[in-house]
Amino acid sequence: AQSVSQHNHHVILSEAASLELGCNYSYGGTVNLFWYVQYPGQHLQLLLKYFSGDPLVKGIKGFEAEFIKSKFSFNLRKPSVQWSDTAEYFCAVGGGSQGNLIFGKGTKLSVKP
Amino acid sequence: AAGVIQSPRHLIKEKRETATLKCYPIPRHDTVYWYQQGPGQDPQFLISFYEKMQSDKGSIPDRFSAQQFSDYHSELNMSSLELGDSALYFCASSWGQGTDTQYFGPGTRLTVL
Repeated sequence: AQSVSQHNHHVILSEAASLELGCNYSYGGTVNLFWYVQYPGQHLQLLLKYFSGDPLVKGIKGFEAEFIKSKFSFNLRKPSVQWSDTAEYFCAVGGGSQGNLIFGKGTKLSVKP
Repeated sequence: AAGVIQSPRHLIKEKRETATLKCYPIPRHDTVYWYQQGPGQDPQFLISFYEKMQSDKGSIPDRFSAQQFSDYHSELNMSSLELGDSALYFCASSWGQGTDTQYFGPGTRLTVL
């Protein structure tokens, strides 16, 4: 069965610190990989996605993620976080013909000003 | 750009009542997905429709039903509501199945008293 594992439940950083959020997936076929962000009280917004091609993908707001097929990983990174990055981050995998997403449990990021 | 519209945004119901949630996809999107996000939980896939036909089914209770109409909007009907149904219900839309990004609506927050 498909599954997504996010390593950290809650990450606390100071502004300007670097961020890396781990995501590992389990899926037997070709996958599409996503990172979504959910700001407090808001809906899920797409940060970035990987379908194929260059395994290093750049998203909005300075985020990037690297797909490492051999490790079944799709970690999210940002070199310097801001207070406004405080949010919950969900890794998701989509695959198969129907395309429904399987989400990880989410990582709550708190950035201290 | 037009986004996914969901109505109502908030809904309060009593146990055993019924509720109908509506989702209007982004124009020209033909696929709709419904997800349920309990408090502090990751979104869980409920059901999806492609070209007005049910395409996949996830962890949707038998008390729930849904359909997609000719204008591609979708409705999620929930009967015999239980306290545990209190959650944020997201609708997402995409063009085609499995190969395109899902864009999420703002969600309907259902509270069952």
